[in-house]
Amino acid sequence: DAKTTQPPSMDCAEGRAANLPCNHSTISGNEYVYWYRQIHSQGPQYIIHGLKNNETNEMASLIITEDRKSSTLILPHATLRDTAVYYCIVRDDKIIFGKGTRLHILP
Amino acid sequence: EPEVTQTPSHQVTQMGQEVILRCVPISNHLYFYWYRQILGQKVEFLVSFYNNEISEKSEIFDDQFSVERPDGSNFTLKIRSTKLEDSAMYFCASTTRGVASNSPLHFGNGTRLTVT
Repeated sequence: DAKTTQPPSMDCAEGRAANLPCNHSTISGNEYVYWYRQIHSQGPQYIIHGLKNNETNEMASLIITEDRKSSTLILPHATLRDTAVYYCIVRDDKIIFGKGTRLHILP
Repeated sequence: EPEVTQTPSHQVTQMGQEVILRCVPISNHLYFYWYRQILGQKVEFLVSFYNNEISEKSEIFDDQFSVERPDGSNFTLKIRSTKLEDSAMYFCASTTRGVASNSPLHFGNGTRLTVT
């Protein structure tokens, strides 16, 4: 079973920052937090991952709390193409998907 | 950017027939995976594969399923005798390193299997 809890859905206005929360209170010390998204039944797309420190790449930023029990994925300027299901995953060996957050970008 | 490719994109087969789904992982990757997603449901782990053997499999991956890396580039999933409930999207994934690593899995765009 997935080790994370995410809201089932969220809305965000186009052009604004989308902040997607995730709780992973049972995370252990060597487990990474991964974020993937799935656009309309395409293959899951890797976004970003981190262990303890905040991370940023060309797609998003990942903010991990100091106790590592929660994190936030930030899409800085959401566009309509960011409409997708976003999965927060705590990874040991394999990736186990939960239900994710369905993000709707509103024009 | 290198990517995982899967063929065919859509496969229709009759119940009881054997089907082989094909994947070409990213060339320097060593760990390979199959997942499936029944319409409207979660993406489910089926099997992981490393060094020419199965590393781990889920309870879904019963005796009807098998995986093979027949050569240096392909990774296949065979379903021996398909059932209606095998209808799903099947995703292949690969990565450079396995357990507890910080190497992301890269997924293909899937094969939609329809069993009639």
